[in-house]
Amino acid sequence: AQSVAQPEDQVNVAEGNPLTVKCTYSVSGNPYLFWYVQYPNRGLQFLLKYITGDNLVKGSYGFEAEFNKSQTSFHLKKPSALVSDSALYFCALRAPNFNKFYFGSGTKLNVKP
Amino acid sequence: DGGITQSPKYLFRKEGQNVTLSCEQNLNHDAMYWYRQDPGQGLRLIYYSQIVNDFQKGDIAEGYSVSREKKESFPLTVTSAQKNPTAFYLCASSPLWEANEKLFFGSGTQLSVL
Repeated sequence: AQSVAQPEDQVNVAEGNPLTVKCTYSVSGNPYLFWYVQYPNRGLQFLLKYITGDNLVKGSYGFEAEFNKSQTSFHLKKPSALVSDSALYFCALRAPNFNKFYFGSGTKLNVKP
Repeated sequence: DGGITQSPKYLFRKEGQNVTLSCEQNLNHDAMYWYRQDPGQGLRLIYYSQIVNDFQKGDIAEGYSVSREKKESFPLTVTSAQKNPTAFYLCASSPLWEANEKLFFGSGTQLSVL
């Protein structure tokens, strides 16, 4: 069975500090993993994806994510948080040969000045 | 939001009324999806379609109906059988045969009950 878990409902970080938003997954076969960001009353915007290759994936707005196959994790990171990064973040999985996307429950990121 | 247009942005439903949410895409994508998002919660799949004139139920299809008469359009009807329709509805699309492709999302429709 395919699933995605985001263990933290909310993450609080001070501006300028590094941030991490956690994601773990379960899949039969190789995973295709994605991170999306959602601002209030808007659709989801794509940040980055992992398909294959380097375990560190770089994406939009200075975000990056680290794929760890042994820990089945795909954590989102940013070296220095901005107040404007405050939003809802979703991890998603698209299993190969399936045309459904599986989303985590979302993590609200609060960056305080 | 990536070539997908959802309308209206806000919609109000009276008790016993059916309402239809529009979703149009110009990305030439085969697959289209409808998700429901409740406050502070994740996305739940309502229906999806991989080809014209074909669609499949997602995890919470009861009280909803869809049609796919054209590749570009995937309207969602919230019927009177859906007793708790207040939510944010998101339409998305994706190329069908490219598993490494992302989902493209519309800007959403907020549905509320009067």
